Amino acid sequence: DIQMTQSPSSVSASVGDTVTITCRASQDVSNWLAWYQQKPGKAPQLLIYGVSRLQSGVPSRFAGSGSGTHFTLTITGLQPEDFATYYCQQANSFPPITFGQGTRLEIK
Amino acid sequence: EVQLLESGGGLIQPGKSLRLSCAASGFTFGNYAMSWVRQAPGKGLEWVSAISGRGGSTYYADSVKGRFTISRDNSKNMLFLQMNSLRAEDTATYFCAKDIDSISYYDYWGHGTPVTVSS
Repeated sequence: DIQMTQSPSSVSASVGDTVTITCRASQDVSNWLAWYQQKPGKAPQLLIYGVSRLQSGVPSRFAGSGSGTHFTLTITGLQPEDFATYYCQQANSFPPITFGQGTRLEIK
Repeated sequence: EVQLLESGGGLIQPGKSLRLSCAASGFTFGNYAMSWVRQAPGKGLEWVSAISGRGGSTYYADSVKGRFTISRDNSKNMLFLQMNSLRAEDTATYFCAKDIDSISYYDYWGHGTPVTVSS
């Protein structure tokens, strides 16, 4: 199974800041990498897929990059509604599809 | 508008069975793979199972293989998860999720249905 490891596990930031979350895969996942946002009590929402493709309706302040085993999600100009938990997910090799453990983005 | 509505969760004793359902609308159901993803209380996301658009291919996490069965009824736009021999570690909110195309990423999710396995 491909293990996905996110860092940091949690991060504090202020409105207007830029935040970068990292996701590392235990094996090459090519460009089969997605990012999700989840708010408490809600279902996850797809932000980015295929490493850098923005899902319809997602603000352009979200950006993904990377390849192979190292990926990043960058949020530029944090907004109040961005404080949530973020998960990466690989779809290169399944079963199983695997998720990172999550990164909690908190207000400083 | 795409909608996914799960049902069937609840409190169940260890060793018993439960069947989850997901009613889909707003898209051509049979054209898309579908999956179940679960989330234990306070924990991260765990992929459980997936099924191809026509239902001919199914996939399972090792943790549920042999106990859970995914199926679909494309004539009724319904997705199912039959869960047998339930264990305490199956306690989670179960989300139905629509694959963006083939089994890969999930562009729509249901609100989830909670399953608690406890005596």
